[in-house]
Amino acid sequence: DGGITQSPKYLFRKEGQNVTLSCEQNLNHDAMYWYRQDPGQGLRLIYYSQIVNDFQKGDIAEGYSVSREKKESFPLTVTSAQKNPTAFYLCASRRTGTNEKLFFGSGTQLSVL
Amino acid sequence: KNEVEQSPQNLTAQEGEFITINCSYSVGISALHWLQQHPGGGIVSLFMLSSGKKKHGRLIATINIQEKHSSLHITASHPRDSAVYICAVVDDQFYFGTGTSLTVIP
Repeated sequence: DGGITQSPKYLFRKEGQNVTLSCEQNLNHDAMYWYRQDPGQGLRLIYYSQIVNDFQKGDIAEGYSVSREKKESFPLTVTSAQKNPTAFYLCASRRTGTNEKLFFGSGTQLSVL
Repeated sequence: KNEVEQSPQNLTAQEGEFITINCSYSVGISALHWLQQHPGGGIVSLFMLSSGKKKHGRLIATINIQEKHSSLHITASHPRDSAVYICAVVDDQFYFGTGTSLTVIP
């Protein structure tokens, strides 16, 4: 079955540590997205990528970095510069065209130790 | 500034009731999506609308482009419908509402 796989489900970060969240899709979608979800707020865009080897900053990119070396993979690194990283992180891919649809991973809950 | 507003924020219903969730938006859009998020966090896409109305089982979604408004209706609600329902609109990027938390009581 095609879909998006995020890992890990739970992640703990120590002070000064970088951590990487994995996102893999086998849907053959070009567009992939990383969102942050905080309680009581809508999803906020961190980074997105429309094609391999290209990505763009979203609304809250500071303290985060991404890469898109393969179509299937779009990992997100939460750097030590992100001072408030505790949140639920969601990866998504987009099927474009007349049958447009968003597909989401199951999310990663990141907490600070 | 919130490009997408949803109401109500929270909704509790008795099993069997007809439910309506509303979404208003302020940007020009190419499409509107209704999403469902269950406890545990995973999100699934319910509908994509660019005009008119769509129906899937007990779920009906409508959109009025001129009024910049969409509604999601659930007929004969069931406890398994309990979830957060999120409206998202697309122009050059996605804009998400804060969600409506629905609880259906048996």
